[in-house]
Amino acid sequence: ETGVTQTPRHLVMGMTNKKSLKCEQHLGHNAMYWYKQSAKKPLELMFVYSLEERVENNSVPSRFSPECPNSSHLFLHLHTLQPEDSALYLCASSQGQGGETQYFGPGTRLLVL
Amino acid sequence: GENVEQHPSTLSVQEGDSAVIKCTYSDSASNYFPWYKQELGKRPQLIIDIRSNVGEKKDQRIAVTLNKTAKHFSLHITETQPEDSAVYFCAASDDSGTYKYIFGTGTRLKVLA
Repeated sequence: ETGVTQTPRHLVMGMTNKKSLKCEQHLGHNAMYWYKQSAKKPLELMFVYSLEERVENNSVPSRFSPECPNSSHLFLHLHTLQPEDSALYLCASSQGQGGETQYFGPGTRLLVL
Repeated sequence: GENVEQHPSTLSVQEGDSAVIKCTYSDSASNYFPWYKQELGKRPQLIIDIRSNVGEKKDQRIAVTLNKTAKHFSLHITETQPEDSAVYFCAASDDSGTYKYIFGTGTRLKVLA
């Protein structure tokens, strides 16, 4: 599938590193999301962008910094992460606001050492 | 805050039997209820959804029922097959202008051949 793509698929980083996750959607959607998926927990919504404007920020630590340069691209910049930040980071997109189907990317499996 | 409870967390059924997964939501404004299937190492994918103006929706072996009064909705899979083995997530959302999706904790379904 090529609707929503994410790179890299796997990432190992030390606590002092800086890295970025990239998401791209080819569906013409105007909303993009970052989720964190940890074992035995519900999907946690981190950030939402609508038409490149951040509309949700769910008390996410400042070591995670999102960027949405246009409606097709979404980044998550990472710096000074903690081991507990290790998780699967999923990007999603939808046409419009809540009540619309979200389409997910394959995720980036992040391990923080 | 709003939440979605999902049960059971794990479910094992014999091939050919039916499987039922139940979710309860707390936000009475929720009016859109998607179900996602996530196979091991893959992205969550929408399998069926229902809006609050209907009580039941069916797509081949999959059906979803909604009880708005009780704030329950359920996923029913009939004639289960080994390829149905995956983690299933329910979610609740509304189209009132927010971008909020609340996900359940997931159910790991194992279909035993």
